[in-house]
Amino acid sequence: DAMVIQNPRYQVTQFGKPVTLSCSQTLNHNVMYWYQQKSSQAPKLLFHYYDKDFNNEADTPDNFQSRRPNTSFCFLDIRSPGLGDAAMYLCATSRGFREQYFGPGTRLTVT
Amino acid sequence: GENVEQHPSTLSVQEGDSAVIKCTYSDSASNYFPWYKQELGKGPQLIIDIRSNVGEKKDQRIAVTLNKTAKHFSLHITETQPEDSAVYFCAASTDKLIFGTGTRLQVFP
Repeated sequence: DAMVIQNPRYQVTQFGKPVTLSCSQTLNHNVMYWYQQKSSQAPKLLFHYYDKDFNNEADTPDNFQSRRPNTSFCFLDIRSPGLGDAAMYLCATSRGFREQYFGPGTRLTVT
Repeated sequence: GENVEQHPSTLSVQEGDSAVIKCTYSDSASNYFPWYKQELGKGPQLIIDIRSNVGEKKDQRIAVTLNKTAKHFSLHITETQPEDSAVYFCAASTDKLIFGTGTRLQVFP
């Protein structure tokens, strides 16, 4: 089945220790998104790639970076995680700005 | 920019009853309105969507209505079942999704 895959599902990192979350997709969609979701809140868009073009949301902290080496993969790098970065991180994909399909998420804990 | 309000924040119904969740949006340019269901510990799942050239769309027990003049859209779930229990998010979009604040639906057997 075509799908959006996120690894790992659970990640524990130490305060200030860089961490990378990964997303892959078999849908062959050209747009990939990263969202942050905190408890009892709606997903908050961090950035997206439209093909190879990177689009950062204005209020996304510099601490968050992303890489998209090819169509299928996208990475979220958190350079120096703080306690406030503990959240569920969701990857989503779409064909153009059409229906978005989400992965299962990675729950990040910062100790 | 776009702002989406969603009500109610929590909704409890008896199994078999109907559930209605309502959203309003502010940007008249929004032309796509999806609904997502999110179960605990999982990613949001697209359950139904509607575009601005359509007033109503139905898929089995789920229906969505759109009133572009009033900038309202609603999700209707009939014959609710315990497995419908989840958080539901509406969203409005021209390109990026702007989510509502979510509704926690509980269906009691």
